[in-house]
Amino acid sequence: AQSVTQPDIHITVSEGASLELRCNYSYGATPYLFWYVQSPGQGLQLLLKYFSGDTLVQGIKGFEAEFKRSQSSFNLRKPSVHWSDAAEYFCAVDLGNDMRFGAGTRLTVKP
Amino acid sequence: DGGITQSPKYLFRKEGQNVTLSCEQNLNHDAMYWYRQDPGQGLRLIYYSQIVNDFQKGDIAEGYSVSREKKESFPLTVTSAQKNPTAFYLCASSAQLLAHGNTIYFGEGSWLTVV
Repeated sequence: AQSVTQPDIHITVSEGASLELRCNYSYGATPYLFWYVQSPGQGLQLLLKYFSGDTLVQGIKGFEAEFKRSQSSFNLRKPSVHWSDAAEYFCAVDLGNDMRFGAGTRLTVKP
Repeated sequence: DGGITQSPKYLFRKEGQNVTLSCEQNLNHDAMYWYRQDPGQGLRLIYYSQIVNDFQKGDIAEGYSVSREKKESFPLTVTSAQKNPTAFYLCASSAQLLAHGNTIYFGEGSWLTVV
């Protein structure tokens, strides 16, 4: 079955430290991949997306993600985390008539 | 500014009542979606609509109904048949039905609580 897995339910990092959020997908073809961010009680905002071509994609707010076909992964990274990055992050795969989301990773940022 | 407006933000429902959540978009998008979000489960698709007067069931359509009489509007009714309706509901839209990586945009969400 097609699925998206975010192995980490909750991650805590110190402000200024680097961040990597993991995402693995199970899908037959090369998927269209997305990362969204959600602040508490709000909708989802698109951070970045991968369709094809360069496997390293840049997004808003200083985020980037790398598509690795051999590992079926699309991990999100940021070199230096800011306190305002504390939120929930969702990886998603476009299945054609639906967007399949991972369960989310909640990011806490320590001062 | 273009966007998706959901109302109300917070809604309380008594058991046995139907409630309707409003979703309006001014992005001129053809496709619209309703998702339900529960803690630790990500988002699950309730219904989607590719075009006016057409809609399809998603993964968890039981106990819900929708209509798409206008391009910009896609209201969701949570009926009394929905056994566990307390959740955060998100409306979304995309220029066309999701395919070839069309970006999906979300509203701010509506909290529904059964009391």
